[in-house]
Order: sequence, then C-alpha cells, then structure tokens
Amino acid sequence: DAKTTQPTSMDCAEGRAANLPCNHSTISGNEYVYWYRQIHSQGPQYIIHGLKNNETNEMASLIITEDRKSSTLILPHATLRDTAVYYCIVRVAGGINDYKLSFGAGTTVTVRA
Amino acid sequence: EPEVTQTPSHQVTQMGQEVILRCVPISNHLYFYWYRQILGQKVEFLVSFYNNEISEKSEIFDDQFSVERPDGSNFTLKIRSTKLEDSAMYFCASSEVGEQYFGPGTRLTVT
Repeated sequence: DAKTTQPTSMDCAEGRAANLPCNHSTISGNEYVYWYRQIHSQGPQYIIHGLKNNETNEMASLIITEDRKSSTLILPHATLRDTAVYYCIVRVAGGINDYKLSFGAGTTVTVRA
Repeated sequence: EPEVTQTPSHQVTQMGQEVILRCVPISNHLYFYWYRQILGQKVEFLVSFYNNEISEKSEIFDDQFSVERPDGSNFTLKIRSTKLEDSAMYFCASSEVGEQYFGPGTRLTVT
C-alpha cells in the first residue's frame, strides 16, 4: 500500500470547517483513499473513502486532487466531539488479501471552543 | 445501527495464562479482522479471516495467537501463553466490502 504523509497535529475552532491534508504521492491507480478517526482510545471509526472523484457523506467531504497525489478531508462544522486522531490510509479495495488497513500516526485534531 | 461488539471490555491476566477475546461482528459481514494498539503506539494489523480461514496475518501473529469463528456470530482471538508485551487494546473489525467497522476494543493487561 502507498505511504501517506499527514501533519502531526492541528487545531481548529468550534463551528468552523476543519481541513485535514494528506499526501500520497506514490498512490497507484487501483488504490483508494480512506479516512478513519479514533476518539481517545475507542475503536477507529470509518469516515469516508474515494478513488478519484470528490465524495461527501453526512460526516465529511473528501477532495482528491486530479493527479491523486494528495487529498483533503473536510469537516464542515467542527464540534468538540470531533477532537480525535485522523488517519489517511491508502489501500487497494478488492481481493481478499488486500483488505487490511495500515495505520500511520495520523493527525491529532483538537477542536477548541 | 448495527455495530461490532467486543467482550470483555477489560481483561487482566497473569503472564503465561491463556486468554480468549470475543467479538460479535456485524451480522451480514463476511470479512473479519483483529488489530491491536499498544498504549501510545499505532494501530497494528494482526489477522484477517474470510470463509472460515485466515486470509492474511502479520508477523506479530505468531504461533501463540489463533482465531476462530466457533458459530455463526462470534469471532474469537486466543492468546495461548500471554507475555507482558501482549498488553494492549485489541480491536475486532468486520466488513462486507471496502470499509471496515471496528468494535470498542478489549483492554488486555498482562501482569
């Protein structure tokens, strides 16, 4: 799986949009970008994923650059409950042996009142 | 909303003892996984399980570890002879295809 690079930490203000960048310059054509988050010591929580088109769901939006070498997760209106470690993971989706997730250190996001 | 459940939430055991961690995946999911997270470290993949057999395992998953799906609902991780370094949060996950859904974890403390 392609390696990703994320900032170690970032702060954002409650009610404002939080934009979380991720670099994945070695991504392959059949690899998806997945975002998960982990609140304190809870189990990782799936947020969103995409291949090349921008995606939006009830939690967030995912913007993938045209060359697919980077992406941005957008939390549109951050709340205190969004304080967590956010992981950007690139992996092939398809094939039984390619389903594992490889977690990095992620970005520690702190939402401040 | 369906969710993955895990029991117990916290297990304390003595070094050398066997432990079994239990998970109930989401009912229509076909792929099952175990991950662990040592305090302050990254989440690490241990093993994936599909069609009643291991599909992939990491180098962490040595002969001391085994997994089983004893019935249609449970998925277990057994550690035969626990070591101090096995102390960690253990997360079960399941998926239908694509995104994996994680349980709340079992905190294993080996003394």
